[in-house]
Amino acid sequence: DAGVTQSPTHLIKTRGQHVTLRCSPISGHKSVSWYQQVLGQGPQFIFQYYEKEERGRGNFPDRFSARQFPNYSSELNVNALLLGDSALYLCASTWHRGEGNTIYFGEGSWLTVV
Amino acid sequence: EDKVVQSPLSLVVHEGDTVTLNCSYEVTNFRSLLWYKQEKKAPTFLFMLTSSGIEKKSGRLSSILDKKELFSILNITATQTGDSAVYLCAVIQGAQKLVFGQGTRLTINP
Repeated sequence: DAGVTQSPTHLIKTRGQHVTLRCSPISGHKSVSWYQQVLGQGPQFIFQYYEKEERGRGNFPDRFSARQFPNYSSELNVNALLLGDSALYLCASTWHRGEGNTIYFGEGSWLTVV
Repeated sequence: EDKVVQSPLSLVVHEGDTVTLNCSYEVTNFRSLLWYKQEKKAPTFLFMLTSSGIEKKSGRLSSILDKKELFSILNITATQTGDSAVYLCAVIQGAQKLVFGQGTRLTINP
């Protein structure tokens, strides 16, 4: 069975540009979350989507947006990129929002903003 | 403010040693505590702890949660070079939001 898949794995963008990152959850998983991990720190929560609706949002500016599609895949969009947006962006999936569900991570997308 | 604090931040030991990694938390609406191993990219799931005092084991790794004192430990016995990684502690808050600690970077020297 495929795990959580993310694309692209690496990308380089220029300040001010826009980026779209994609995530496909484990088959059967309906909840997708996005995390940003800056080098040397733990991941920080950005968004959670469940059944195509936003269910949670972390402390990130409005330049960050996301959506979930009918097949439960998800996109994270970041506008007007800043140097500080350089990070590993992780997607996590779980079956549903209830207790006791293990959360699995994808390999991540390395974003470098120059 | 919700926070998860891990200690030590960095640890270097010799192969065969036993290590204990610490995680304390102050998080509202606590659900469970998870441990992950991160080598290069994706954090790999190790344990989920929901009840106090029940040790979970997987090979040379074990972990326990104390919900009264708000901490958890991860033990690794007979360490091997393949155990070198960053170990992340995270608390599930509310509906599946994870609050992570900074991680402990463990280096095992041969």
